[in-house]
Amino acid sequence: GIQVEQSPPDLILQEGANSTLRCNFSDSVNNLQWFHQNPWGQLINLFYIPSGTKQNGRLSATTVATERYSLLYISSSQTTDSGVYFCAVKLYSGGGADGLTFGKGTHLIIQP
Amino acid sequence: EAGVAQSPRYKIIEKRQSVAFWCNPISGHATLYWYQQILGQGPKLLIQFQNNGVVDDSQLPKDRFSAERLKGVDSTLKIQPAKLEDSAVYLCASSSDREGTQYFGPGTRLLVL
Repeated sequence: GIQVEQSPPDLILQEGANSTLRCNFSDSVNNLQWFHQNPWGQLINLFYIPSGTKQNGRLSATTVATERYSLLYISSSQTTDSGVYFCAVKLYSGGGADGLTFGKGTHLIIQP
Repeated sequence: EAGVAQSPRYKIIEKRQSVAFWCNPISGHATLYWYQQILGQGPKLLIQFQNNGVVDDSQLPKDRFSAERLKGVDSTLKIQPAKLEDSAVYLCASSSDREGTQYFGPGTRLLVL
């Protein structure tokens, strides 16, 4: 099956710092989503980005589908950004399942 | 717009007991998913419904897990009998179509003792 690798696995930053999280995937996809899982376990949608670049406030994401990677940028980090960031992908379905395959996540801690 | 609703939020049971989880997707969403998230890992798909039909249940342990979506709206996931390794968060997600963004509910935290 498709492999999804996220890096770094852990990241500790001071408030106000910028960060880049990376997601590599092993096959062509037609769905790629970035999620933030908060300390209460809720998975919050950040971006639906199978290709291209999107921005939402302090967050932006870029997916280069031909090179099979996606990047999530967080600028001016705040303590509320702490949590686990997941990249999840879905292969072209062709009539098959549409479930997302998740990476192991990047655990981000923002210190005040 | 209301999000995906799940209940209960927490459940503690003894091994070999049975348990059921409920999910109500976002209104109008035809596709519904159940995922299992074990501590320290990313969620893993258990079953996918399109309206009231099963699209994929290849990763559902069918000897103990069952799921239904009888009227194509809300869904239940059941475990009978539960094992210690079933301790996890059970997440329900929905999407408007098979290609679209998946939205997740708050999850049910299950602890099997």
